[in-house]
Amino acid sequence: AQSVAQPEDQVNVAEGNPLTVKCTYSVSGNPYLFWYVQYPNRGLQFLLKYITGDNLVKGSYGFEAEFNKSQTSFHLKKPSALVSDSALYFCAVRISGGSYIPTFGRGTSLIVHP
Amino acid sequence: EAGVAQSPRYKIIEKRQSVAFWCNPISGHATLYWYQQILGQGPKLLIQFQNNGVVDDSQLPKDRFSAERLKGVDSTLKIQPAKLEDSAVYLCASSPDGYSNQPQHFGDGTRLSIL
Repeated sequence: AQSVAQPEDQVNVAEGNPLTVKCTYSVSGNPYLFWYVQYPNRGLQFLLKYITGDNLVKGSYGFEAEFNKSQTSFHLKKPSALVSDSALYFCAVRISGGSYIPTFGRGTSLIVHP
Repeated sequence: EAGVAQSPRYKIIEKRQSVAFWCNPISGHATLYWYQQILGQGPKLLIQFQNNGVVDDSQLPKDRFSAERLKGVDSTLKIQPAKLEDSAVYLCASSPDGYSNQPQHFGDGTRLSIL
């Protein structure tokens, strides 16, 4: 079994400030972890993934995420938020190896204030 | 490259009617996924195809939902008869070969409203 928790329904941050969107996971086995972003009336867009190797993963649009195995977390971060980063963010997990089905969190709405 | 295409973008039907959604994945992508995204929730996988075979349909309500991918390219998802709780956005996604380490490419979805 696998699950993903995004504990915050909404995150508010001022433009120019750093942002963090939290994600914790539970999986039997080694995880593959993903972050996606969804803009209104659009599909999900891939931001970054952790497969193996460095715990700090860099992705699109200046986003990065840190894999922490002991805390089973994969928090999304950005040093300086933009108003255009305002969107819905989803964390997803899959069991490594094979073609296991993915499980998504319920999403976190990020609002960046000018 | 062209992205995942879905149609229609919006559909409104009455309960107990039937409806079908169409998806054309990215060219060359062997794996196709259908998701249901209810407002305020993350996408839930309904079915995963590898070419024209089903990899996983454990979360597909088979009494009313069906899906096919006859030639291993386009796919159709059908609901018959629709219930009020089927109101959601139906997302199609594809990936080159479905391995767990690959991200998925999503279409913009079909928003279904049941009256």
